[in-house]
Amino acid sequence: GAVVSQHPSRVICKSGTSVKIECRSLDFQATTMFWYRQFPKQSLMLMATSNEGSKATYEQGVEKDKFLINHASLTLSTLTVTSAHPEDSSFYICSARDGGRFDEQFFGPGTRLTVL
Amino acid sequence: AQKITQTQPGMFVQEKEAVTLDCTYDTSDPSYGLFWYKQPSSGEMIFLIYQGSYDQQNATEGRYSLNFQKARKSANLVISASQLGDSAMYFCAMREGSIGGATNKLIFGTGTLLAVQP
Repeated sequence: GAVVSQHPSRVICKSGTSVKIECRSLDFQATTMFWYRQFPKQSLMLMATSNEGSKATYEQGVEKDKFLINHASLTLSTLTVTSAHPEDSSFYICSARDGGRFDEQFFGPGTRLTVL
Repeated sequence: AQKITQTQPGMFVQEKEAVTLDCTYDTSDPSYGLFWYKQPSSGEMIFLIYQGSYDQQNATEGRYSLNFQKARKSANLVISASQLGDSAMYFCAMREGSIGGATNKLIFGTGTLLAVQP
C-alpha cells in the first residue's frame, strides 16, 4: 500500500514553455501533499505544502506565480512550472501524507525536468 | 543553524559488515519524529525507519536500526549485514510536532552516499 505515482518521469522542454507534473496517491487518500525540488547531489528542498481544496502554502523564496500548485482531489496534486527557464531544470519529487502509524510521507518516483 | 546535520558525505562498507550513518538534529519542540529514507540512483525516496521523540526504545526494522540518543540529539542509522543493494544515498529527516499534527513538514539533511563493496 501507500503508493504514489508521478507523471511524467522525465520531460524536456523549450525555454518559455509551461510544464505540468501530476502527483497521485494510488491507494490512499491524501489530504496533504508536498512538492520538493532536488538539485544534483543535494538534499530535498520543500517547495510547498498542498492541501486538498485550499491554496498551497509556499516556502520562503519559492515564487507562487512560477510554481502553480493545484490540489483538486484527495488523490491528485499538480505542479505547473510556468514559463520554464534553464535554471528551473531539476528533479521534482512529490510526496503524500498518509496519516498512518508514523504519519510518514510516501514519495513519488520523481520527475526530471530539463529546460533547454 | 542547521536543523538536521549529516556529517558524512560518503561512506564505504564491505559487504556483510555493519555500517553506521550519523545524524544529529536541533529542535526546541518536545514532540518530533525522525525518519530515514533511502534514495537509490533511480531517484525514488524509500522510507526505512521512524523514531518518535517519546519512544522509549530504539526503532528497528529488519536490518535497519536507529541508535536514538535523545540527550545528544542524535539519531544514527545502523545497517547490519550490508548488501550490494544497499548502495544509495541516505537521508535523515525530522518532523517537528506530533503525529497527526497540523504541520507535517519534513526537514532533510544533506545525505550520506553509501557504497557497499563486494
